[in-house]
Amino acid sequence: ETGVTQTPRHLVMGMTNKKSLKCEQHLGHNAMYWYKQSAKKPLELMFVYNFKEQTENNSVPSRFSPECPNSSHLFLHLHTLQPEDSALYLCASSQERLAYEQYFGPGTRLTVT
Amino acid sequence: QKEVEQNSGPLSVPEGAIASLNCTYSDRVSQSFFWYRQYSGKSPELIMSIYSNGDKEDGRFTAQLNKASQYVSLLIRDSQPSDSSTYLCAVRARDDKIIFGKGTRLHILP
Repeated sequence: ETGVTQTPRHLVMGMTNKKSLKCEQHLGHNAMYWYKQSAKKPLELMFVYNFKEQTENNSVPSRFSPECPNSSHLFLHLHTLQPEDSALYLCASSQERLAYEQYFGPGTRLTVT
Repeated sequence: QKEVEQNSGPLSVPEGAIASLNCTYSDRVSQSFFWYRQYSGKSPELIMSIYSNGDKEDGRFTAQLNKASQYVSLLIRDSQPSDSSTYLCAVRARDDKIIFGKGTRLHILP
């Protein structure tokens, strides 16, 4: 596989469920990102990891919990979500945190019921 | 306060014509600017980046940057139906965060 991959591509979960989103990048990059894209709103940066260390948390509710075990993998653990959390969750990577170009994965379409 | 502004469109352009997409930003010290294309149901794809004033050309695409006016644009020459998409402008702000605009929907008329 090449580029940035994400699984699952679609997820439906209840408000009491716990699920995880997975992202893997095959580009040899050192920085990884989680974004949220809701309808009619701009892309919102959620978390940034650089060399496995979290460098940014954009005031994201604690029901979203990121994990970065190594520079190639990034997870987003979800629990007790709300219907307004339904969105497209995009993972991206870049060579370094201060690098200019980010490359996105295909996204996970999340629906919270 | 909107940091990156784009006209949401849709912008309709005849096939073969030049499509002009515009973006303004509020942070005067921004140094890096990007254009992404996002097809419906797909993820954003980087198509152009520009860092200094002036024009940067890549195939049918030209990015234009005017830091004094805090304005960045994307021109698409010889527009094709396959160019129909949403185009996202993104700016690297002073704290190194990348801020995205809401995007402009472009529709190329066959």
